[in-house]
Amino acid sequence: GQQVMQIPQYQHVQEGEDFTTYCNSSTTLSNIQWYKQRPGGHPVFLIQLVKSGEVKKQKRLTFQFGEAKKNSSLHITATQTTDVGTYFCEGNAGGTSYGKLTFGQGTILTVHP
Amino acid sequence: DGGITQSPKYLFRKEGQNVTLSCEQNLNHDAMYWYRQDPGQGLRLIYYSQIVNDFQKGDIAEGYSVSREKKESFPLTVTSAQKNPTAFYLCASRWDSDTEAFFGQGTRLTVV
Repeated sequence: GQQVMQIPQYQHVQEGEDFTTYCNSSTTLSNIQWYKQRPGGHPVFLIQLVKSGEVKKQKRLTFQFGEAKKNSSLHITATQTTDVGTYFCEGNAGGTSYGKLTFGQGTILTVHP
Repeated sequence: DGGITQSPKYLFRKEGQNVTLSCEQNLNHDAMYWYRQDPGQGLRLIYYSQIVNDFQKGDIAEGYSVSREKKESFPLTVTSAQKNPTAFYLCASRWDSDTEAFFGQGTRLTVV
């Protein structure tokens, strides 16, 4: 079945440093979603990428979708303590089956002030 | 105010008891999901439903049961057959497979 691998599992940074998390799919994706879960909270949708090679920005966050639509990344520039949490990607292998949606394992980001 | 509501927020259960977690959405979404999250871990799919009166097992369905009698509601029962039920349970819904998921606030279940 479809697998979405996300790395790293943990990332500890000093405030002001950059952070990147990567997702790699075993199959070509129709689209990919990114979510953020604050400690003790629930995942909240950040963005969706659909097109090959797509790049989207949200303030300090930059999201990329690979040319082959099998990988994606989330990059945070100059991290802040408010960026703490777990970042998940969710890959959609296409078709009408909701079972083809798979979450990555998540990257837990810790930011030291 | 549209959204997805889980209740209760915290739940304590004695070993050997069944317990039902509630999930209600007023977003008119067709698809609903249940995930289990253990500390420091990702989201593991328990069950999902694409339409009323139909649901499919996810990766870790053993020891759990669901029903989908109404579009708005997708309750999850954690049965006594679930060996290690202490976890954070998240319910989600979405319009279709090409749109994002909306999550409830979660229920933290503890077996005492």
